[in-house]
Amino acid sequence: GESVGLHLPTLSVQEGDNSIINCAYSNSASDYFIWYKQESGKGPQFIIDIRSNMDKRQGQRVTVLLNKTVKHLSLQIAATQPGDSAVYFCAERSRPDKLIFGTGTRLQVFP
Amino acid sequence: SAVISQKPSRDICQRGTSLTIQCQVDSQVTMMFWYRQQPGQSLTLIATANQGSEATYESGFVIDKFPISRPNLTFSTLTVSNMSPEDSSIYLCSVYRAETYEQYFGPGTRLTVT
Repeated sequence: GESVGLHLPTLSVQEGDNSIINCAYSNSASDYFIWYKQESGKGPQFIIDIRSNMDKRQGQRVTVLLNKTVKHLSLQIAATQPGDSAVYFCAERSRPDKLIFGTGTRLQVFP
Repeated sequence: SAVISQKPSRDICQRGTSLTIQCQVDSQVTMMFWYRQQPGQSLTLIATANQGSEATYESGFVIDKFPISRPNLTFSTLTVSNMSPEDSSIYLCSVYRAETYEQYFGPGTRLTVT
């Protein structure tokens, strides 16, 4: 099938380690941010979101951090597993009808 | 969440022809969108599908090339017209729920134009 993320930056981690994926967003007026996971041959899957009135939000094994001062977003994955291998995209929204995606990062997990 | 299906899942088409992609969501949603993802790239918004009126297109995309319909709150179609090899991409349907702020994507349609 068709691959996604052939030319994207890659983060390689060992199974069990923590992963940190970073993203710089462009619009200081953006008030909502989402992280998506995209496995090969599939559509993006919603992971976690955060609104601009928060600095941190935690989910199951994932944490999103938002630094509005420097327009930076990060996704932390605890105890990374082989099933976490995918391309990860951040996305920002400044109005309901437009979600803007970042360039993406490929996460490779080694045993 | 929302369950989104797309048909076809993939197709190989000859240049100069047109393909219509269907998107069905399992419940009413506030907004529906169409995105394109070229090989190895991120997602780019093509247009917002508006119920009962013309779609709203992003810069670089025009109705003659990508006509869109949304006859009701759960269904939309995207047509890729007069295709060329440069149209080879994954086309993704997406839905937005205003009550949760969340946005979900369908599995995509993988189009190859020869």
